[in-house]
Amino acid sequence: KQEVTQIPAALSVPEGENLVLNCSFTDSAIYNLQWFRQDPGKGLTSLLLIQSSQREQTSGRLNASLDKSSGRSTLYIAASQPGDSATYLCAVRKGFQKLVFGTGTRLLVSP
Amino acid sequence: NAGVTQTPKFRILKIGQSMTLQCTQDMNHNYMYWYRQDPGMGLKLIYYSVGAGITDKGEVPNGYNVSRSTTEDFPLRLELAAPSQTSVYFCASSYFRDSTNEKLFFGSGTQLSVL
Repeated sequence: KQEVTQIPAALSVPEGENLVLNCSFTDSAIYNLQWFRQDPGKGLTSLLLIQSSQREQTSGRLNASLDKSSGRSTLYIAASQPGDSATYLCAVRKGFQKLVFGTGTRLLVSP
Repeated sequence: NAGVTQTPKFRILKIGQSMTLQCTQDMNHNYMYWYRQDPGMGLKLIYYSVGAGITDKGEVPNGYNVSRSTTEDFPLRLELAAPSQTSVYFCASSYFRDSTNEKLFFGSGTQLSVL
């Protein structure tokens, strides 16, 4: 059974710092991995999607990497801002229709 | 752009009551999903639909029912509410071409309490 773990569960950093969020999964036979952002009281917004054949994806200050063989992905946020404060979830797709979510990392960026 | 719209945003039910959570999308997406999110847990798939008239069970379907009569709408029905169904419910949709590249769009959620 695929399990997805995100460490740390919560992270607090001062504005301007570069930071890394971690996602690990137990079964490396995945189709893709997605990173989502969730704001309080809101739904999830897809940030980046990495296909299984890719190593990384970039969008603005965000960079996500994927190492299938070790079952790991990282989300790198450069020059963090208070507006980046949210919960970040990763999800791996294994098989048709099967998207398994991690429990998320709650990020707080203080001014 | 409305995207995925869920109603209501909040609801309190008594044990044994029934209700329907509404979900509609205006992106002409073929796939739609219902997830629940419990505190400190990841999202769990309840039901999904690959097109109008076609639905299937997800990971945690017990106590729920769905229908998909149109491409736009995918309501979730709770027949006999139980405290274990207290959760935040999310509807999502996607335009599915292949599993490697599917991107999900989520609604803002319905917070349901069963007392």
